[in-house]
Amino acid sequence: KAGVTQTPRYLIKTRGQQVTLSCSPISGHRSVSWYQQTPGQGLQFLFEYFSETQRNKGNFPGRFSGRQFSNSRSEMNVSTLELGDSALYLCASSLNFQGVQETQYFGPGTRLLVL
Amino acid sequence: DQQVKQNSPSLSVQEGRISILNCDYTNSMFDYFLWYKKYPAEGPTFLISISSIKDKNEDGRFTVFLNKSAKHLSLHIVPSQPGDSAVYFCAASHPNQAGTALIFGKGTTLSVSS
Repeated sequence: KAGVTQTPRYLIKTRGQQVTLSCSPISGHRSVSWYQQTPGQGLQFLFEYFSETQRNKGNFPGRFSGRQFSNSRSEMNVSTLELGDSALYLCASSLNFQGVQETQYFGPGTRLLVL
Repeated sequence: DQQVKQNSPSLSVQEGRISILNCDYTNSMFDYFLWYKKYPAEGPTFLISISSIKDKNEDGRFTVFLNKSAKHLSLHIVPSQPGDSAVYFCAASHPNQAGTALIFGKGTTLSVSS
């Protein structure tokens, strides 16, 4: 099976712009989660989507949003970019049957640099 | 408030010896724990996991131990190999009615020298 794929791999934007990142989960996986990795804060949970619905959300401002499509592919959007949004954005997928402890599998990430 | 802590930012080990990476957590509701390995500019790769109903899980050279009373888990790598050099993240899962999210520690950089 192909793994989690993310596009683009690298992105440079300027402050105030907005950006959309894409994630395709492992075939058959219905849950997609997004994480932000920065040197200072480590890996932090952004949000999780399941069956096209946001099911869980971390402590990030409303500038960070996402959506999931019927084929489980997901996008996340960051509006009004700030310098502090420079980070590696990681997508993870899992089968995620409710109540079952499951492993999340990560994609390679999108490296975003905000200038 | 950091719920998952990896107090050692780095660890150096010689090839062939045991590597022990430690992780502490504060939330007794966590019921599933995972270890990931990460190289720079790549996504984390899943290594091994353990449910809170167990105290040990093995997979080849990797063994994870869980001590629920101490809220502590450790990853043992035996024997260590130079290719094991990477950042290791401990993560915990806290299922709620809406779904699950992984809470990560800040990582330990393992260096295995030949």
